[in-house]
Amino acid sequence: EVQLVESGGGLVQPGGSLRLSCAASGFPFNTYSMNWVRQAPGKGLEWVSYIGRGGNIIYYADSVKGRFTISRDNAKNSLYLQMYSLGDEDTAVYYCARQDTVGALDIWGQGTMVTVSS
Amino acid sequence: EIVLTQSPGTLSLSPGERATLSCRASQSVSTSYLAWYQQKLGQAPRLLINGASSRAIGIPDRFSGSGSGTDFTLTISRLEPEDFAVYFCQQYGGSPLITFGPGTKVDIK
Repeated sequence: EVQLVESGGGLVQPGGSLRLSCAASGFPFNTYSMNWVRQAPGKGLEWVSYIGRGGNIIYYADSVKGRFTISRDNAKNSLYLQMYSLGDEDTAVYYCARQDTVGALDIWGQGTMVTVSS
Repeated sequence: EIVLTQSPGTLSLSPGERATLSCRASQSVSTSYLAWYQQKLGQAPRLLINGASSRAIGIPDRFSGSGSGTDFTLTISRLEPEDFAVYFCQQYGGSPLITFGPGTKVDIK
């Protein structure tokens, strides 16, 4: 079964850090680009970051540039998002998503909740 | 920056009716890189359409996509009870790399 499972979410204080993980299974992970997408409570979807198959092509949304770092370990079939300097605006469910050949996100994880609060 | 606008914000219809959802881009989007998603409360989004008009695996044929350039449409030919949800359009390849529309909620009239 093709599956993505996120972990690492939780409650963090403003200014704090958190590392999210996404475990992939059921498909050749190293042949797909991957993304992080977030959704604040009651809001729409916001793209966060993209990483190419080999990990050497990376893009970020302006809202997280300089604070978040995306990475992947193809040997472990895993995607990561290291988040620093977290603020209230980063409170959201964070999804990892597989990207198909035409830029659509065809497989999504169940999401992990990040709450930034004192 | 490519901004996607969706209309209407909410669409109130009855089961069996036809739903027509619009997605308009601030700049031309490559037809290959326009997708539609369905999201139900408490669930992750599900890909419905990629390449503007190709149904994803397992998506019923009552869902169809069309359009090009800056105007795209998702049509649900006959609403089933499980189709009442929020629908998002998404573009890839612009700046920023990926953007989503704000969504259209299809609810029961």
